[in-house]
Order: sequence, then C-alpha cells, then structure tokens
Amino acid sequence: GQQLNQSPQSMFIQEGEDVSMNCTSSSIFNTWLWYKQDPGEGPVLLIALYKAGELTSNGRLTAQFGITRKDSFLNISASIPSDVGIYFCAGLYGGSNYKLTFGKGTLLTVNP
Amino acid sequence: SQTIHQWPATLVQPVGSPLSLECTVEGTSNPNLYWYRQAAGRGLQLLFYSVGIGQISSEVPQNLSASRPQDRQFILSSKKLLLSDSGFYLCAWSLKRQGSTDTQYFGPGTRLTVL
Repeated sequence: GQQLNQSPQSMFIQEGEDVSMNCTSSSIFNTWLWYKQDPGEGPVLLIALYKAGELTSNGRLTAQFGITRKDSFLNISASIPSDVGIYFCAGLYGGSNYKLTFGKGTLLTVNP
Repeated sequence: SQTIHQWPATLVQPVGSPLSLECTVEGTSNPNLYWYRQAAGRGLQLLFYSVGIGQISSEVPQNLSASRPQDRQFILSSKKLLLSDSGFYLCAWSLKRQGSTDTQYFGPGTRLTVL
C-alpha cells in the first residue's frame, strides 16, 4: 500500500517558538489533510488541501500542498502550551477511492 | 452541523467475550463510514469502510467484523475478543464527492482493554 513518511517523530520546543513538520511520499496524492489529536480523543481536522501548490492558513497554522503532489508541510507559529498533541498528516492518492493513508504522527511538546 | 458519536467511551472485556461498538452520525445522509484502530504506537489502521447500508469492505483479516444496519449507524463487532484487540477504536465519516472521498471527520473514540 501507499506510505507517508512523516517527520519529525517528536519535537520539544519552548513556548513562542515556531514549528514545522512535513510528510512525503513516493506516490502522488490528490488531497492532503492535517489532524491534531489530544490524548484520549479522536483526531480533529486542522487543514484540508485539495490543489497542488495550495497554501492554507487556520489561525497560527499554515499548511501547503506540495507542487509535486508528493509532499505537504504544516507550520505552527508562536506555539502555545495547548498546541501539545500528536499531529497527523493524511493523504488520498489517486488510485484509492475512499481510503486515506496516514502518517505515523508527530508528537509535539511545548514547554511553557 | 454534523456530529459523530461513539459508545461506549471505554470498555474492559475479558478474552473470549463478545464485542459491540457503535457509531452514529447526525446531520448528514449517505456518508462513507470508517472504523480505525489506533495502537499505542500512534498509527491509525483502517479496519473497515462502508459506502452504504449493508456494504462493508474489510481492510485487514482479523476476528472483527462490521455492519451498517442503517444509513448513519456503523457497528464493530467480535464474537471472541483476543488480547491483541486492545486499542483505541475510532469511527469516522466523510461525504461522497464525485465518487471519491476527501475529508474524514473522527468520533471521540472507544478505549478497549482486553484482559
């Protein structure tokens, strides 16, 4: 099956710092999604990207759909303690209706 | 607006016992529905998906099964639980868009511990 390589696996940062994480694949994806999961809860959608090159913001979060359609990144600016959690990328590739492929997640820790 | 519910929130079951987890979606019709399992290692594993009533596709061989008796109801079952069935079970839904799907929205999850 298709795989997404998400990096880094974990990050430890100070409050106020900016954060960047990304996902790459050897396959072309038609849709990129970024989710955040708090402990014991379901993932919550942060940003959805549907076109190559698309750059979308949601508050302090910015995500981009790579031009090659094989990658995406998520940036968080001026991190705050409530940004702590696991961030997942997910993609829908052209050959698989209905099924998303998920990255393994980036665990973010923010020190106040 | 659409909402998705899962119950129970937590469940502790002995090995060999049956299982039934329920997921319902409100505020939309004819959604695609999904069951995922998330182990401690964080990755999400797709177990089943459904594009309509009575239509179930299985992604991995296992002792779990899924059913969709109503348009917005998705049930995950097992006749006999194994220790390895422990995990965090997530239900998700998506709209159908020109025969494919895009954004999936997740429920709050069920934490299952098999002892």
